[in-house]
Amino acid sequence: QKEVEQNSGPLSVPEGAIASLNCTYSDRGSQSFFWYRQYSGKSPELIMFIYSNGDKEDGRFTAQLNKASQYVSLLIRDSQPSDSATYLCAVNNYGQNFVFGPGTRLSVLP
Amino acid sequence: DARVTQTPRHKVTEMGQEVTMRCQPILGHNTVFWYRQTMMQGLELLAYFRNRAPLDDSGMPKDRFSAEMPDATLATLKIQPSEPRDSAVYFCASGGQVGELFFGEGSRLTVL
Repeated sequence: QKEVEQNSGPLSVPEGAIASLNCTYSDRGSQSFFWYRQYSGKSPELIMFIYSNGDKEDGRFTAQLNKASQYVSLLIRDSQPSDSATYLCAVNNYGQNFVFGPGTRLSVLP
Repeated sequence: DARVTQTPRHKVTEMGQEVTMRCQPILGHNTVFWYRQTMMQGLELLAYFRNRAPLDDSGMPKDRFSAEMPDATLATLKIQPSEPRDSAVYFCASGGQVGELFFGEGSRLTVL
């Protein structure tokens, strides 16, 4: 069973702080990793993807991947109340389906 | 503005009725996924297609659900007969160049 695990939260951080969201996956063959943000009542929207070990930065967001530990994380710097949402980690092995984690609910407090 | 289009956005029906949901993937995308989302289960994969061929529908209750892609611009998900436990938001997503998924706005189904 291919699984993706996330802490369901809620994760509460003060405005301006760094939010750290974590995800572990069970399938060592996984090749690509995605972070989606989902606001309540809306559809998931892609934030970032990462394929290689290390860090990938895009604005206030940094994705980190460690394939040896089967771990991927998302850092949000200078968190804003508008970042309050559920963050979904997704893992894909080419030729196989996408597996989504249950999501972590983030609350950024003004 | 390329996006995945789903219809209907909302559907309320009675138990036993047939429900058909439609999806128009982003032009040029060759993979299409159907997901169901509930508060309890999160995002569950129902079926997915590559180049219109079904690759995995193991997440779908076969006795009542069916998914098809009659052409590259249309994917359908049908439930017959519908049951109250089918109430959920159904998302269609299509796959981009680097494997990322783009989601439609979803079809919220309520079965009474």
